[in-house]
Amino acid sequence: AQRVTQPEKLLSVFKGAPVELKCNYSYSGSPELFWYVQYSRQRLQLLLRHISRESIKGFTADLNKGETSFHLKKPFAQEEDSAMYYCALSGSGGSNYKLTFGKGTLLTVNP
Amino acid sequence: EAGVAQSPRYKIIEKRQSVAFWCNPISGHATLYWYQQILGQGPKLLIQFQNNGVVDDSQLPKDRFSAERLKGVDSTLKIQPAKLEDSAVYLCASSLTARTAYGYTFGSGTRLTVV
Repeated sequence: AQRVTQPEKLLSVFKGAPVELKCNYSYSGSPELFWYVQYSRQRLQLLLRHISRESIKGFTADLNKGETSFHLKKPFAQEEDSAMYYCALSGSGGSNYKLTFGKGTLLTVNP
Repeated sequence: EAGVAQSPRYKIIEKRQSVAFWCNPISGHATLYWYQQILGQGPKLLIQFQNNGVVDDSQLPKDRFSAERLKGVDSTLKIQPAKLEDSAVYLCASSLTARTAYGYTFGSGTRLTVV
């Protein structure tokens, strides 16, 4: 079974502070991990995926298979980062490519 | 590139009524998904289509929910009869292929309120 856990429903930081959104997963095979973001009144969109190992809007995330984690980090938060963030997992093979989402973390960056 | 289109944007119905949602995926996308997002939770997959065939409907409450994608393009999700707990945002997503979860594009969703 695929499961994604985001332990924080709400996270509030000040502008310029570092931010880390936690994500832990459960999957018996080799997963692919994603972070999705939903800004106010906008549709859900992909932020980054672990395979590409890229930085998007200053955010990075490293897959730690030992700790089964995929935490999202940004060294200096900006007000425009305020949004709902979802961690998602996809398996491999057959219908396992479907995305399983966590419950999300609402990030608020205060001025 | 046009995005995934969904309609209506909002719907309010009374319990035990029926309702239908429509989704038009990105042109050429073979795979189509319907997700249910209850307030405070992440999206949950209801059904996955590959062209006009069902790949996964294991989490679809089949006693009241049905979905079809007759010509392998647009899709309809129906609830009959609706219950209060069906209040949620129903998201449609599409992708070129089912062989990867990369490349999902989501629609804006339909917000359903059952009173």
